[in-house]
This record gives sequence, structure tokens and C-alpha cells, in this order.
Amino acid sequence: QKEVEQNSGPLSVPEGAIASLNCTYSDRVSQSFFWYRQYSGKSPELIMSIYSNGDKEDGRFTAQLNKASQYVSLLIRDSQPSDSATYLCAVKRGGGSNYKLTFGKGTLLTVNP
Amino acid sequence: DAGITQSPRHKVTETGTPVTLRCHQTENHRYMYWYRQDPGHGLRLIHYSYGVKDTDKGEVSDGYSVSRSKTEDFLLTLESATSSQTSVYFCAISEFDYEQYFGPGTRLTVT
Repeated sequence: QKEVEQNSGPLSVPEGAIASLNCTYSDRVSQSFFWYRQYSGKSPELIMSIYSNGDKEDGRFTAQLNKASQYVSLLIRDSQPSDSATYLCAVKRGGGSNYKLTFGKGTLLTVNP
Repeated sequence: DAGITQSPRHKVTETGTPVTLRCHQTENHRYMYWYRQDPGHGLRLIHYSYGVKDTDKGEVSDGYSVSRSKTEDFLLTLESATSSQTSVYFCAISEFDYEQYFGPGTRLTVT
């Protein structure tokens, strides 16, 4: 079983719609969760981090975490063509000396004008 | 890019030659990481550092070595480059062992 799984997409939504990106993880001791956005040919950019169950909102972005279901999602409200990118989910195991993130392969989002 | 630079940004080299990639940060962050990104595999950790002269292996470390002699610089060396090491290499930094910020990347082609 892959450690962090995302649908590869492409996920296509019309401008102004809500885009919903999903991620599941296999390691139950995972404690920290991150969403990165990566434009084609560019480096990953951190857009959200979430550490506890529930929702976390930042502007048009909402991250949702459900540790019991081992599921984390990213909602993008009022999607814009500039949101078209690959979104990477990353998971960090517990604290201590484990500094490593495990990344999913990413979901390609296309927002159509 | 959070005060991170990578050099060179592009490099073409021949099989069997040594290659060194440099990551430089101005944030004074303790942790530094090297990743490679390949189609179908996503981002994979090569090596990381948790302090000056303190490094450890990631999931794809074979064929790579690293060094960190000062806080701001983290070097990745391919001792004898192979075609399978053609990839985009990203450096990342973090202040604590949480959020990581990425540099602009180095595109390496081994012919």
C-alpha cells in the first residue's frame, strides 16, 4: 500500500467553482499534513499546513483533516485559472528525530475560464 | 523562494562524470533536504541534514553523497553520474522539523 495516495487527475473545474482535492495516508502515527502547489516547471510552494482534526481556513483555501479515516483534503473556493497547477499532499510522521516528509504524486487541477 | 538558491540551475553532463549541486540558504534554518522529482514517482527524499556535519539518508540515497560544512550550504554529489540520475533536484529547508520550503530546482541531464 502506497504511503500517501492522491488521484492523479486531471481534475477539471469551471472558474468560480469549488475544487476538492483528496489525499489518504497509510501511517496511523502521522501527525503533520501539508499541501503544496506546483506550477509546471516550478518548485513546490507551501500553501497550507494542518496538524489537528477539523478544518483550517486561509483565504480561499480550506484544509480538512480526519485522522480516524486517515484522510486529508484541500478545498479551493471560487477557483481561478491561476489555480491551475499540480497539488501535492505531504505527510510527516510523528515528532522526535523523524524529520522526513512523504509526498503523494500530486493531483493536476485545471480551472477552465 | 524563502531565501534559497540552487546552483547550477541547469546542467548537462556525461555518464561517469562527477557532479556537485549546491544549495545555499540565507534563513539560518537548521534542517536542509535534497529531493529528486521524476514523472510517475513524485518527490523523493535523497538525503537530509539536521545540523552542520549531521546528515542522514533518505529513501533514494544510493549513488549520492552530501556534505554540510556550514549552516547555509548543503552540497549534493553524484560521484559517477548515470542516466538514471537524470532528474529535477530540489533543495528544501525548514526551521523546525515541520514546514519545508523549496528552492527553485536544478534540472540535471546525464547523457
